[in-house]
Amino acid sequence: QVQLVESGGGVVQPGGSLRLSCAASGFTFNTYAMHWVRQAPGKGLEWVAFIRYDGTNEYYADSVQGRFTISRDNSKNTLYLQMNSLRAEDTAVYYCAKDRYNGDAPFDYWGQGTLVTVSS
Amino acid sequence: EIVLSQSPGTLSLSPGERATLSCRASQSVSSSYLAWYQQKPGQAPRLLIYGASSRATGIPDRFSGSGSGTDFTLTISRLEPEDFAVYYCQQYGSSPRTFGQGTKLEIK
Repeated sequence: QVQLVESGGGVVQPGGSLRLSCAASGFTFNTYAMHWVRQAPGKGLEWVAFIRYDGTNEYYADSVQGRFTISRDNSKNTLYLQMNSLRAEDTAVYYCAKDRYNGDAPFDYWGQGTLVTVSS
Repeated sequence: EIVLSQSPGTLSLSPGERATLSCRASQSVSSSYLAWYQQKPGQAPRLLIYGASSRATGIPDRFSGSGSGTDFTLTISRLEPEDFAVYYCQQYGSSPRTFGQGTKLEIK
């Protein structure tokens, strides 16, 4: 069965960096686009970033453009999110999510999330 | 950016009743690329409906979606105890992908 397991969350000071990972299994990872979605405490869902199945295209929410970088290693079935210049408003649970196809599709599987707290 | 507005914010109903949740878009959602997700406390969201009206794998037929253009509806025909949760709509036809603010379905 499809499994997505995030890791790498934690507490970081404002201005700091963190790299999240998402280990995928149970499907052919290198044929599906992937996303990161976040949820601030007690708030709704916010899409963060998209990467094409082969890593050739990426898109970002305006709120993270220029600070976050999504990437993938298809040889390791792993998705990444490099987060730099972190701000208090980046505090959230970060989910990785599988695209149902390769763009223009809903997110059919989600990980359980990893909590990132930006605080001094 | 397409803004999605969900109503009501909170819906209080009893098991066995019918629930109707609304999602309105600020502009037309292309090709009815509209999805609904269910999220329970401490859990990740789960895909219920995609393409405005297609049920995802394993979703009971008491869940149905309808609508097109800017107005979409999620209907739960007969509420089961496990259906009480927060529901989000999402458009995936244009970037950035956007979610509605959610509707909390609570037990009356």
